[in-house]
Amino acid sequence: DTTVKQNPRYKLARVGKPVNLICSQTMNHDTMYWYQKKPNQAPKLLLFYYDKILNREADTFEKFQSSRPNNSFCSLYIGSAGLEYSAMYLCASSRTGGDAEQFFGPGTRLTVL
Amino acid sequence: QQKVQQSPESLIVPEGGMASLNCTSSDRNVDYFWWYRQHSGKSPKMLMSIFSNGEKEEGRFTVHLNKASLHTSLHIRDSQPSDSALYLCAATGGYKVVFGSGTRLLVSP
Repeated sequence: DTTVKQNPRYKLARVGKPVNLICSQTMNHDTMYWYQKKPNQAPKLLLFYYDKILNREADTFEKFQSSRPNNSFCSLYIGSAGLEYSAMYLCASSRTGGDAEQFFGPGTRLTVL
Repeated sequence: QQKVQQSPESLIVPEGGMASLNCTSSDRNVDYFWWYRQHSGKSPKMLMSIFSNGEKEEGRFTVHLNKASLHTSLHIRDSQPSDSALYLCAATGGYKVVFGSGTRLLVSP
């Protein structure tokens, strides 16, 4: 099974409210990633977990949090949503190494009003 | 900041024709190049990867890599309407993964 699951598929949030997105995979992959994708833009890597080690990109460091309670699950947390957070959020997983294929989930479309 | 540039932004080819997509990285530390395909409403799925100079062919799909210029290209021969999708190029070096903004391909019947 090469499925990566994401919940919810659609999320409506109010400005200033928190948002929590969930991702799961059953491939026993060491690495899990979160990307933000806006229309006509490249998927932007926000952060990734290698095992239990969290790596956050410098320019999004303070905007996004994450947790990985076990190998299968990974969350993305926004403490206070702003209008600019409206986007598709893609979760992916892979085994260790730069030569490893990433498997993507279906995404969560977040709309902040 | 590392960038991955893809061209063209969009492409229309007739059914049965050849589609050629380009991708260039600005980072000399890149080791691997990937092509992902994303159909409308679906998640990206890896189409092809290339790690060393030269050419790799899988069915109707051929990918080229020139590591000196950090340029890769994807060629689809005998294009089918089902090939219509967003094609994303990604470059990885270590744990760093950078995607391009994609080429939207439309194959017209």
